[in-house]
Amino acid sequence: AQSVTQLGSHVSVSEGALVLLRCNYSSSVPPYLFWYVQYPNQGLQLLLKYTSAATLVKGINGFEAEFKKSETSFHLTKPSAHMSDAAEYFCALDPQVGANNLFFGTGTRLTVIP
Amino acid sequence: NAGVTQTPKFQVLKTGQSMTLQCAQDMNHEYMSWYRQDPGMGLRLIHYSVGAGITDQGEVPNGYNVSRSTTEDFPLRLLSAAPSQTSVYFCASSYSRGGAGAYEQYFGPGTRLTVT
Repeated sequence: AQSVTQLGSHVSVSEGALVLLRCNYSSSVPPYLFWYVQYPNQGLQLLLKYTSAATLVKGINGFEAEFKKSETSFHLTKPSAHMSDAAEYFCALDPQVGANNLFFGTGTRLTVIP
Repeated sequence: NAGVTQTPKFQVLKTGQSMTLQCAQDMNHEYMSWYRQDPGMGLRLIHYSVGAGITDQGEVPNGYNVSRSTTEDFPLRLLSAAPSQTSVYFCASSYSRGGAGAYEQYFGPGTRLTVT
């Protein structure tokens, strides 16, 4: 069975501080992993994806994530938070079996404090 | 290129009413899916389709029907709305596994449904 766990439903950081959003996964086969961002009252936008190439993945808006198989983690980071980063972030897993169905974590709401 | 479009944006239904949420994409994607988003639960898959004429159930299919007569459209039908179906519904599409641009799903803007 596959699952995604996001630690911390709410994270607050000061503007300019490091952003770290945690994601751990469980999958019986090597998965593909994604981070999506959702701004208020909008749909989901892909930030970055891991598809078994480089383990350090760079995405849009200065975000990056590192796939660590030994820790079954795919944490999202950004060196310096901007006010515009305030949003909800979802980690998702594609188990690479069958159809392209995604399994989502429960989301982390990021607040940036000026 | 409009991407994934959904209508309506907002809908209020009374318990027992039926309605269809529309989803269309113009990217010639084989795969389409419907998710519902509830607070604290992330997105959960309702139904999906890997091509015209082919649909299958996801994690939470009860109370919903789908069909896929064309590549472009994937409507979601609520047969008899219940308050538990109050949610935000997202449609998504992608190329099937292994195709160009594979592994990225594109999401529509969502439909916010309230059932009273």
